[in-house]
Amino acid sequence: KAGVTQTPRYLIKTRGQQVTLSCSPISGHRSVSWYQQTPGQGLQFLFEYFSETQRNKGNFPGRFSGRQFSNSRSEMNVSTLELGDSALYLCASSSFLGGAGTDTQYFGPGTRLTVL
Amino acid sequence: GDSVTQMEGPVTLSEEAFLTINCTYTATGYPSLFWYVQYPGEGLQLLLKATKADDKGSNKGFEATYRKETTSFHLEKGSVQVSDSAVYFCALYNNDMRFGAGTRLTVKP
Repeated sequence: KAGVTQTPRYLIKTRGQQVTLSCSPISGHRSVSWYQQTPGQGLQFLFEYFSETQRNKGNFPGRFSGRQFSNSRSEMNVSTLELGDSALYLCASSSFLGGAGTDTQYFGPGTRLTVL
Repeated sequence: GDSVTQMEGPVTLSEEAFLTINCTYTATGYPSLFWYVQYPGEGLQLLLKATKADDKGSNKGFEATYRKETTSFHLEKGSVQVSDSAVYFCALYNNDMRFGAGTRLTVKP
């Protein structure tokens, strides 16, 4: 079974630009979550999608948005990039069969975003 | 809000030493608790989990017990190997996933 895939793996943007990151979950998984990992703030939850609906959202500004498609693939978008948005963005999928929090989340390798 | 506090690293041990990485949490209700591991150059992997009080999660010789009375979920291993060198993250899920800062473990031969 293929794991969680994220594209692109590396991205360099300049301040003010916008970026879209993509995540393909494990086949059959319907829940996708996004996280931001930085040396200073560690791993922080961005949002979670299940069946194309946002279930939960972390404490990030509205510049961070996401969506999920009918095939469970998910994208996240960051508009008006700031230097502080430089981070590793991780996507995780789960089957959600046991309900939120009980299923194992499988993480992708991440997209490393650098904002210059 | 909910939070996880874990032992700051880095931690350096000799092979076959006993490992403890402390983790305490603050949360309302009954969160699920997890330990994730990130090996060099790889993504996060679930190491073990516990979904209710007094549950013990175990995997690859690692163990952690969900202690509600002390709000703790300490990670232990009786005899570490060089291959256990990685960053370990304690996490909880209540309404969303909260991670600790991570503890870098280096095991020397």
